[in-house]
Amino acid sequence: GQQVMQIPQYQHVQEGEDFTTYCNSSTTLSNIQWYKQRPGGHPVFLIQLVKSGEVKKQKRLTFQFGEAKKNSSLHITATQTTDVGTYFCAGPRGGAQKLVFGQGTRLTINP
Amino acid sequence: DAGITQSPRHKVTETGTPVTLRCHQTENHRYMYWYRQDPGHGLRLIHYSYGVKDTDKGEVSDGYSVSRSKTEDFLLTLESATSSQTSVYFCAISEALRLAGDNEQFFGPGTRLTVL
Repeated sequence: GQQVMQIPQYQHVQEGEDFTTYCNSSTTLSNIQWYKQRPGGHPVFLIQLVKSGEVKKQKRLTFQFGEAKKNSSLHITATQTTDVGTYFCAGPRGGAQKLVFGQGTRLTINP
Repeated sequence: DAGITQSPRHKVTETGTPVTLRCHQTENHRYMYWYRQDPGHGLRLIHYSYGVKDTDKGEVSDGYSVSRSKTEDFLLTLESATSSQTSVYFCAISEALRLAGDNEQFFGPGTRLTVL
């Protein structure tokens, strides 16, 4: 079945360093979504990418959707302690209203 | 945050007992979902609903059943809980598909279930 793989599983950085997580799908995606989950919290929607090669920015966060619409990345510039959490990508599966999530990348930051 | 509540928030039960988790929304969203979250597995879909009394299985549905008798409530039942069902359970909602704009899911606060 359709799979969404996310790497790395864990990432520890010093505050101020950059961070990137990568998402790869076994099939072409019509769109990809990114979510953030703070420790002890619930996933919160960050963004959706739809177009091939699309790049979107939210302050220090840059999201990219690959040209083949099978991969995506989230890059955080100059991490801050507020960026701590687990970042998930998700793509539609079996219909637009169902999502398959990657395993997530857990980001921890040394202040 | 979207108006989604889950109850109970924490539960400890014994193997073999039935358990029902409730998700309640005040957003009048059509779609509702139950996920479980386990270390190393991300979020896995158990069941989802696309309307009142309309439900379907997700990728890890064995041992779980659901019901949706009202738009606002989506119940997840473990008929006979097992230790492998120890997990954090999240309910989510989403609006109907929009041709333009985002189709995000909004998550509830989660229920931590421990089966001894």
